[in-house]
Amino acid sequence: DGGITQSPKYLFRKEGQNVTLSCEQNLNHDAMYWYRQDPGQGLRLIYYSQIVNDFQKGDIAEGYSVSREKKESFPLTVTSAQKNPTAFYLCASSFPSGLSYNEQFFGPGTRLTVL
Amino acid sequence: AQSVAQPEDQVNVAEGNPLTVKCTYSVSGNPYLFWYVQYPNRGLQFLLKYITGDNLVKGSYGFEAEFNKSQTSFHLKKPSALVSDSALYFCAVRDTIGAGSYQLTFGKGTKLSVIP
Repeated sequence: DGGITQSPKYLFRKEGQNVTLSCEQNLNHDAMYWYRQDPGQGLRLIYYSQIVNDFQKGDIAEGYSVSREKKESFPLTVTSAQKNPTAFYLCASSFPSGLSYNEQFFGPGTRLTVL
Repeated sequence: AQSVAQPEDQVNVAEGNPLTVKCTYSVSGNPYLFWYVQYPNRGLQFLLKYITGDNLVKGSYGFEAEFNKSQTSFHLKKPSALVSDSALYFCAVRDTIGAGSYQLTFGKGTKLSVIP
């Protein structure tokens, strides 16, 4: 988990609320990613960013939004439009994104629960 | 489109015995293949990867994986299992061509239990 921090570790949200998950990396990586993990479904890509001020939708972007204003930071907002947000969220980074054989490094995750 | 399959949801092995966790893939070009391990409520840790060259790849903690192009497989192996190897293992693939080359596609994971 070294080099990538995610906060908070646990997050509880009431229905109708937006919440923001933090992801910070000090690895000087260009690319950053957000994944959602549900039991028995593996990891699914929500959004990714290859450079600052640019990001692309992944496979399950609906109900989520991101920003990439700094190289080190890639926050994820789970909006009220996401109908089933309870899951484990993982942030990852890699360097550089154009060389697709580079492995991704993962943060420790944030577990989001909707009350 | 790229895809990866891990045909076993769970693998049980006795401590000291060899272990194998299976992975098969599908890509349009050539594959970049990865194995990760996840302990409960933690992020994923990188174990090893195949890019090109030798079909047998050695990684962290005594793990290795064998790339087989004809069978489109990349099975994870270890000669002697430890109880501490018990975890969730993910295989992942990245295509070398097309839109998928920017994305890593993960399998659903295999839970490995090493029995003392």
